[in-house]
Amino acid sequence: NAGVTQTPKFQVLKTGQSMTLQCAQDMNHNSMYWYRQDPGMGLRLIYYSASEGTTDKGEVPNGYNVSRLNKREFSLRLESAAPSQTSVYFCASGDRVADTQYFGPGTRLTVL
Amino acid sequence: KQEVTQIPAALSVPEGENLVLNCSFTDSAIYNLQWFRQDPGKGLTSLLLIQSSQREQTSGRLNASLDKSSGRSTLYIAASQPGDSATYLCATTTSGTYKYIFGTGTRLKVLA
Repeated sequence: NAGVTQTPKFQVLKTGQSMTLQCAQDMNHNSMYWYRQDPGMGLRLIYYSASEGTTDKGEVPNGYNVSRLNKREFSLRLESAAPSQTSVYFCASGDRVADTQYFGPGTRLTVL
Repeated sequence: KQEVTQIPAALSVPEGENLVLNCSFTDSAIYNLQWFRQDPGKGLTSLLLIQSSQREQTSGRLNASLDKSSGRSTLYIAASQPGDSATYLCATTTSGTYKYIFGTGTRLKVLA
């Protein structure tokens, strides 16, 4: 089992560019999550999907969109990147909402 | 709004010491609480999950306790080893929201 995989591992964007972060899990989990981690701020929830076909806003959703493509995949899109979105992005999954969460290795995004 | 605090932010101890990491939360109406470990440049690994009805959970040299009434959880690490060096984060969900709120972590260094 690969667990939770994320692509890309690193990305540099210019202000205003768009991109999609991909996440996939092979544990047949129902719930999937996107977090960002910034120094001194801890992890903050951007969006989550309690089950296939549903998505909900987390703590810091502005500037992001998500798609739960199927049970395995949950993508995060930045339509017009801003320097404030420079961060490390983590995807996670769990069997049920608020259950044990399994994290991917992260995507390090820099917006210039 | 739930707030999670971890003090101290950093800790250095000699190998073999027993140590306690602290986690405080402001809203005692939690669904559960998790402790995670994060190695530099990596994702998070779940160590222990305590349901709101439980008082403690144990895994190997790790023991996590939960006191909802005082808004505190502790992670006890017995006989610390250099391999325990990492950042330890706690996260909790408030009943009814199922969204995890993370502390900013305690960076632990165990000296050989």
